[in-house]
Amino acid sequence: SQQGEEDPQALSIQEGENATMNCSYKTSINNLQWYRQNSGRGLVHLILIRSNEREKHSGRLRVTLDTSKKSSSLLITASRAADTASYFCATGNTGRRALTFGSGTRLQVQP
Amino acid sequence: IAGITQAPTSQILAAGRRMTLRCTQDMRHNAMYWYRQDLGLGLRLIHYSNTAGTTGKGEVPDGYSVSRANTDDFPLTLASAVPSQTSVYFCASSEFGGEAYNEQFFGPGTRLTVL
Repeated sequence: SQQGEEDPQALSIQEGENATMNCSYKTSINNLQWYRQNSGRGLVHLILIRSNEREKHSGRLRVTLDTSKKSSSLLITASRAADTASYFCATGNTGRRALTFGSGTRLQVQP
Repeated sequence: IAGITQAPTSQILAAGRRMTLRCTQDMRHNAMYWYRQDLGLGLRLIHYSNTAGTTGKGEVPDGYSVSRANTDDFPLTLASAVPSQTSVYFCASSEFGGEAYNEQFFGPGTRLTVL
C-alpha cells in the first residue's frame, strides 16, 4: 500500500506561476523526501526534510512538513517549462525496509 | 561509469522466459534497491540489499530474485516471466543509514514487456 499520497494527481500552470503539491501519509516518519521524474527517466532527489523540521528551502523549492497533520507540501516558485515533470514524495518510516513512494503529481508548465 | 547504470534499456520477452536485469553503481553505496513503476501506482519496492551479501524482500517480491555478490552489482532475475511483470524497473542506491533513510540515486530504468 502507498504510504504517501500526492495531491493533486495532475497540475497545469503557466510559466512564472507557483506550483504547490501536497503529500499526505499515514504513519510516523523519520524523514520525508521529494523526487522529480522527467518523462522516461529515473527519479532525481530534490529535498529531504526531517521529522523535527517544519520548513526547508532549496533554490526555488520550499518544503513544509506538518507532522500533526501527517502532511507535506512542495512549492515551486516562478515555475519554468523545464519544471514539467512528475513529482513524488517518499517517506522513511520507522520499521519499514526502505522509502515508501506515493503515486506522484504530474506537473505541466505551459510556456 | 557515473552513478547507476541499468541494462538493457528495454526488452520484449516471451512469457515463461528467464530474464536478468542488470544494475551497477560506482558510488560505493552499501544499499541498493529494485522498484517497479506502473501507471498510477508510483514505485513499489521489489527487493533491497542493505550491504553486500545480504538481501531482503520488499512490497512485491513474488516472481523475482536478487543477489548481491559485491558492492557494485545488484541483478534482478525473473525466473519465468509473466505478462503482469510488464513494467518499468528502476534500480537505486543509497548510503545505508538504518532508519535515517538517506537520499536514493536512481538508474535510468529498464522498460520490460512480457508477451
